[in-house]
Amino acid sequence: KNQVEQSPQSLIILEGKNCTLQCNYTVSPFSNLRWYKQDTGRGPVSLTIMTFSENTKSNGRYTATLDADTKQSSLHITASQLSDSASYICAFYGGATNKLIFGTGTLLAVQP
Amino acid sequence: DSGVTQTPKHLITATGQRVTLRCSPRSGDLSVYWYQQSLDQGLQFLIQYYNGEERAKGNILERFSAQQFPDLHSELNLSSLELGDSALYFCASSGSGGVYEQYFGPGTRLTVT
Repeated sequence: KNQVEQSPQSLIILEGKNCTLQCNYTVSPFSNLRWYKQDTGRGPVSLTIMTFSENTKSNGRYTATLDADTKQSSLHITASQLSDSASYICAFYGGATNKLIFGTGTLLAVQP
Repeated sequence: DSGVTQTPKHLITATGQRVTLRCSPRSGDLSVYWYQQSLDQGLQFLIQYYNGEERAKGNILERFSAQQFPDLHSELNLSSLELGDSALYFCASSGSGGVYEQYFGPGTRLTVT
C-alpha cells in the first residue's frame, strides 16, 4: 500500500533558527515529489517539486532532499521567520493510479 | 492568489441534505482536481477532470459526483450528507496532466450538523 508518513507531527522553534522536517514513503513508482506549505484554513501552496531522479531542490530558504535508498525526503528551512508558521505537507505524484498521495503534515510554529 | 476560485467559502447544512461546491480553474488550465481534507485523514484525492471528461478517480464516495462544464468550471455534488463529510474541500487546476504543478484554490469548509 502506498503510504507517506511525516515527522514530527508538530514542532516549535524560535525565530531565526533552522529546522528539518521528515517524510518517509513507500509510494512506488512515482514521477515527482512535492512539498507544500498550508496556512490554517487555506489551500496548499507549492514550495518545491522534484522528479524521482533529483536529490535536492531549493526555493529560497527552503531546501528539499530526496534519498531513494532510504525512501526519505526532508525539507530544511533556514533562518525561520514568524510567517513560516504553517503546516508542511509532502506529496508524491504516482502510484498505480497516477494521483497525488499526501502525508498528514507537520505543524510548525515559529515563536519570537 | 493561485488564480483558482471556489465558492462558497463556508457551508453549513444538515445531515441528509445535498450541496454543490463550485470551482473555477486558472485561466487556460484544462485539468481540475477535487480533494477532501479532514482532520484525521489529511488531503485525499477525490476526482480529476480534463477538458470536460473524467480522467482519474480516487477515494470518492458513490454519494459524491462531479462534472466539468464547457467553460471549464467544475462542480462537486455531495448528497445524503453525513456528519463525517464535514471537511475542507479543495479544488486544484493544472495546465495538463497531474504530473505538472497543481494550483490549489482557497477551499470550501463544509460543516454537516
